[in-house]
Amino acid sequence: GAVVSQHPSRVICKSGTSVKIECRSLDFQATTMFWYRQFPKQSLMLMATSNEGSKATYEQGVEKDKFLINHASLTLSTLTVTSAHPEDSSFYICSARDGGLPEAFFGQGTRLTVV
Amino acid sequence: GIQVEQSPPDLILQEGANSTLRCNFSDSVNNLQWFHQNPWGQLINLFYIPSGTKQNGRLSATTVATERYSLLYISSSQTTDSGVYFCAVARTGGGNKLTFGTGTQLKVEL
Repeated sequence: GAVVSQHPSRVICKSGTSVKIECRSLDFQATTMFWYRQFPKQSLMLMATSNEGSKATYEQGVEKDKFLINHASLTLSTLTVTSAHPEDSSFYICSARDGGLPEAFFGQGTRLTVV
Repeated sequence: GIQVEQSPPDLILQEGANSTLRCNFSDSVNNLQWFHQNPWGQLINLFYIPSGTKQNGRLSATTVATERYSLLYISSSQTTDSGVYFCAVARTGGGNKLTFGTGTQLKVEL
């Protein structure tokens, strides 16, 4: 299957700072990538759809100014958590599909801890 | 939005036992996938199965799209099968956005 790589896998940052998470499709091009968040013992919740060359589409209730998404190339999307606070601590995971194929593949996830 | 419910929420099995996990969804879908989330959080693709039946080793899945449910069968369970199983669906006309189910936490004991 297609390979999606996410970096970093784990990050600890101080409250008030910003953190950037990268999501790369390694062996295919992805015009669309998706960002999810997962709190402990809960399911994955879609945050936003990242579109190459255009603005991201955010789900209801997700602050677009806090979670900045950039999809500058067909193989890279980034999620920046700005002015992070302890309540932003969570597991963030991205997914991508290979062009016209329907199956979605996921990165390894990033565990963010804000102290 | 589309609702996706999984049952049971928790399951404990003895090694070697068989099990059936269920996923119910509230609208027509054009994508349904089953995942296994390992203890490190990685989502492992098990099946892409918007309809029909597929098998892969000890695992098999069946989706009855007209009745809006899917089943995941695990046979001869092993301790390495432990983890959380999610189904995820994309509503027809919903732009390929996957909505995840509530998950089934499986623990396989010796």
